Amino acid sequence: AQSVAQPEDQVNVAEGNPLTVKCTYSVSGNPYLFWYVQYPNRGLQFLLKYITGDNLVKGSYGFEAEFNKSQTSFHLKKPSALVSDSALYFCAVRDMKYGGSQGKLFFGKGTKLSVKP
Amino acid sequence: DAGVIQSPRHEVTEMGQEVTLRCKPISGHDYLFWYRQTMMRGLELLIYFNNNVPIDDSGMPEDRFSAKMPNASFSTLKIQPSEPRDSAVYFCASSLLGAGKNIQYFGAGTRLSVL
Repeated sequence: AQSVAQPEDQVNVAEGNPLTVKCTYSVSGNPYLFWYVQYPNRGLQFLLKYITGDNLVKGSYGFEAEFNKSQTSFHLKKPSALVSDSALYFCAVRDMKYGGSQGKLFFGKGTKLSVKP
Repeated sequence: DAGVIQSPRHEVTEMGQEVTLRCKPISGHDYLFWYRQTMMRGLELLIYFNNNVPIDDSGMPEDRFSAKMPNASFSTLKIQPSEPRDSAVYFCASSLLGAGKNIQYFGAGTRLSVL
């Protein structure tokens, strides 16, 4: 069965410090992995994705994520956090075993990132 | 493109009333998804369509919920009768399947309050 775990409900960092938001996944086949961000009273916005190729994926707003197959992880990172990065972050996975017409994503419960000045 | 458009943005209704939420996906997208978000349960997939055909409705909570997609540019999610526990933010998302795609684009959501 497909699933995504975000072990931290909240991550607190000081502005300028590096940040990491953790995500692990479970799928039957190869994964497509995604990170989305949600600002208050807004819909989810796509940040980055891993499909294949380089394990380090770069996305919007200076975010990057590293795919680690052996650890089934896809942690989101940023070298220097900004107060404006404060938001809710969601990891999601699509199981490529169910390719073709299967477009379903499985989302984690979300991690609230708080960046203090 | 204007993105995924949902209406209304806010809906307040009384228990027992019918509620209809609307969604216009991004033009050309062949998948449409309805999600519900609450503090307690997080983001839940309710149903999704491919080329206007419902593919998986296993997330629809009960028979009070129904969804339709009469054409490629419009979908509705209906709750009849509504109950206070249906209060949540409902999101619609659309995507285009294929190599290099797979990104779901979300609307701004409809915040539903059932009194």
